[in-house]
Amino acid sequence: AQSVTQPDIHITVSEGASLELRCNYSYGATPYLFWYVQSPGQGLQLLLKYFSGDTLVQGIKGFEAEFKRSQSSFNLRKPSVHWSDAAEYFCAVESGGGADGLTFGKGTHLIIQP
Amino acid sequence: DGGITQSPKYLFRKEGQNVTLSCEQNLNHDAMYWYRQDPGQGLRLIYYSQIVNDFQKGDIAEGYSVSREKKESFPLTVTSAQKNPTAFYLCASSRASGSRTQYFGPGTRLTVL
Repeated sequence: AQSVTQPDIHITVSEGASLELRCNYSYGATPYLFWYVQSPGQGLQLLLKYFSGDTLVQGIKGFEAEFKRSQSSFNLRKPSVHWSDAAEYFCAVESGGGADGLTFGKGTHLIIQP
Repeated sequence: DGGITQSPKYLFRKEGQNVTLSCEQNLNHDAMYWYRQDPGQGLRLIYYSQIVNDFQKGDIAEGYSVSREKKESFPLTVTSAQKNPTAFYLCASSRASGSRTQYFGPGTRLTVL
């Protein structure tokens, strides 16, 4: 069965500093990969996705992620964080075999220090 | 505007009662999904439907039921058999083929009293 690991439960970053959130997946073939962001009490908003092609993917709000097959990773990055980036971030994988749901990591809570 | 609506936003239920959560989408998506979110647990798939009048169990379907009579609607019933129903419930939809990006509703927080 596929699985997603987000090793960092909490991350604290100073405003203006760079950010990297880690995501590792376990799946035999090339998966479809996603990063979502969630503000407290809200639904999930899609930041970016990887299906195939260029392994560096650009998303909304200045985020990017890089797919590394050799490391089974899909880490999310941002060069300079803003206080409004404080939220919960989820990495997710879909098997690519059909519309049968996503497998999510447990999330990383991002705290921004002034 | 196209999107997914869930109602109500907050729901309270007494133990032993069934309750139905609403999910409607006007994105013309064939596939719809229900997830449960608990603190520190991420999201877990309850049920999904790829087409009208058909649905499949996800990872944690016990104590839940769904129907898919219309393309736009995918209601979730939390039955009295669900042992720990207090959670945040999220509905999503996507195309059934091609770009299957899932788009999420705002969620319903269910509290069992």
